[in-house]
Amino acid sequence: EAQVTQNPRYLITVTGKKLTVTCSQNMNHEYMSWYRQDPGLGLRQIYYSMNVEVTDKGDVPEGYKVSRKEKRNFPLILESPSPNQTSLYFCASSFGLAGLYNEQFFGPGTRLTVL
Amino acid sequence: KQEVTQIPAALSVPEGENLVLNCSFTDSAIYNLQWFRQDPGKGLTSLLLIQSSQREQTSGRLNASLDKSSGRSTLYIAASQPGDSATYLCAVRPGNTDKLIFGTGTRLQVFP
Repeated sequence: EAQVTQNPRYLITVTGKKLTVTCSQNMNHEYMSWYRQDPGLGLRQIYYSMNVEVTDKGDVPEGYKVSRKEKRNFPLILESPSPNQTSLYFCASSFGLAGLYNEQFFGPGTRLTVL
Repeated sequence: KQEVTQIPAALSVPEGENLVLNCSFTDSAIYNLQWFRQDPGKGLTSLLLIQSSQREQTSGRLNASLDKSSGRSTLYIAASQPGDSATYLCAVRPGNTDKLIFGTGTRLQVFP
């Protein structure tokens, strides 16, 4: 089944404790990205990647890191989480931005609470 | 800076009604526009994708139109059903970036 998976789905942590949220897709997509969703603000892009070893900042990259060592995986790293990073996080992927097949596929979301 | 607005924020209708959800964007230089559905506590499901050169797309009871020059898109849902209850989001890809800019969504409730 074609899908985007995220782990964990729920996470409660404390300020300053490094964490990683994993994202994996099995559709051979080049493009992957991370969003956070907050009430009243909608979805905002954190980072995106056009392909292996190619990443770039989205609209709200502060406090986050990403890496793209393999095509299928795009982990989101919070080196020192803070309470304002409490949010619902989504990973998404697509074949690319150009052409017909750039429909975005989303993972199920990770609800993160930073105390 | 591209901004995407969805009105209304919430909508409640009886089953069977035809309804229209609105999405407006401030910069007409977009590459495409996508409509999504989000169920509570779940991810987004893509419904329809309209390229900038297209005027509409249809899938089953859903029809999305795009008027780039006026910065508007509408999602038409025919013969609404309780199973259509969800939040509907539109997102545009500005022509000069590799990003998706989302609206804040319309929360739809269809009651029996």
